[in-house]
Amino acid sequence: AQSVTQLDSQVPVFEEAPVELRCNYSSSVSVYLFWYVQYPNQGLQLLLKYLSGSTLVKGINGFEAEFNKSQTSFHLRKPSVHISDTAEYFCAVSPSGGYNKLIFGAGTRLAVHP
Amino acid sequence: SQTIHQWPATLVQPVGSPLSLECTVEGTSNPNLYWYRQAAGRGLQLLFYSVGIGQISSEVPQNLSASRPQDRQFILSSKKLLLSDSGFYLCAWSGDRGGDTEAFFGQGTRLTVV
Repeated sequence: AQSVTQLDSQVPVFEEAPVELRCNYSSSVSVYLFWYVQYPNQGLQLLLKYLSGSTLVKGINGFEAEFNKSQTSFHLRKPSVHISDTAEYFCAVSPSGGYNKLIFGAGTRLAVHP
Repeated sequence: SQTIHQWPATLVQPVGSPLSLECTVEGTSNPNLYWYRQAAGRGLQLLFYSVGIGQISSEVPQNLSASRPQDRQFILSSKKLLLSDSGFYLCAWSGDRGGDTEAFFGQGTRLTVV
């Protein structure tokens, strides 16, 4: 079975500051890793994903994440945030074989202040 | 291009009443389909997934059921709603190819049971 832990439920940050949202996972099999963003009362939008290859993955809106197999982590980063980045961010894993079942973390609410 | 439609967007239902939420996907065939629930302040919980017509897998025991009467139609139902069924329900689809694991989400239905 897989599980995902997002270490921070809320992250306040000032505009133009860097941010890191932390994600750790547990799995006995190989997994694919994802970050999704959810704006208020909307569905989820994929930010980026790691399937294989380079451990540094770049996504939309200037976000990137680094897969660290030894630490079972997939932290999300952005060097300079904007007010419009205020949203909830979800880390998710899916086993690399079988059905594409996403297991989500509890989410991190990013609040960007002016 | 593929699109996913989910309705209604909001719903207020009394305790004990029935429920039917519908989700349809366009522009793809034989998708994997999912229902997730997001309770207030919590992450997303996978409720059901389906890999084909009439094939439903339940992830957690609950007061809800799902059906897939057509290839691109996924329905979430309940015979009698409970207060604890309140939440934000998201339908999603993903491709059935082994390496294609990105899930695409609908806009969600906010259900309030009163």
